[in-house]
Amino acid sequence: GAGVSQTPSNKVTEKGKYVELRCDPISGHTALYWYRQSLGQGPEFLIYFQGTGAADDSGLPNDRFFAVRPEGSVSTLKIQRTERGDSAVYLCASSRLAGGSTDTQYFGPGTRLTVL
Amino acid sequence: QKEVEQNSGPLSVPEGAIASLNCTYSDRVSQSFFWYRQYSGKSPELIMSIYSNGDKEDGRFTAQLNKASQYVSLLIRDSQPSDSATYLCAVNRAAGNKLTFGGGTRVLVKP
Repeated sequence: GAGVSQTPSNKVTEKGKYVELRCDPISGHTALYWYRQSLGQGPEFLIYFQGTGAADDSGLPNDRFFAVRPEGSVSTLKIQRTERGDSAVYLCASSRLAGGSTDTQYFGPGTRLTVL
Repeated sequence: QKEVEQNSGPLSVPEGAIASLNCTYSDRVSQSFFWYRQYSGKSPELIMSIYSNGDKEDGRFTAQLNKASQYVSLLIRDSQPSDSATYLCAVNRAAGNKLTFGGGTRVLVKP
């Protein structure tokens, strides 16, 4: 596709439920990133994939959060036992090169997660 | 101290004026610096990237970097109402790939 796509655009769930958020990066982009943005704040890094492997997962807040990218393209962010504090916009980004500090990251539209 | 700091604003500027946005960062090994624009309810959109000290101009936008002072700025010339948005400063370390963002500066351009 022309840009990064994310589904669903909105997700409302109840506390304790499991959710999956999907990201489809720009075609040919090797690197994929997940960020989380709370209201009034800048995005916060969660995890970065280079190909199929998670190169840096230092931003995942706890073991309820997990992400996969089994074929090196689409990625799924999985959140178990959701809590109200997980409510935020989850942003996915991709970049063309296999990592590098000058790599430009292009963001998707985000998934707004609301945990009731 | 936050890793990347920005004044939250709002920065109110009249149409046609220059908007000046500032960002400071704490990690001296930071190598790449980015300015993203984010409209309300939308995702961040890259405006400028800068990697070396000095100025970089692109249209109405100029980014300025001073690594010794750990400071990066964005100037928006001839500000338009369509420039009203939140501007996010992001920093990338030399050996890493994750972007560390500031909290953003909200800019309001008044006709």
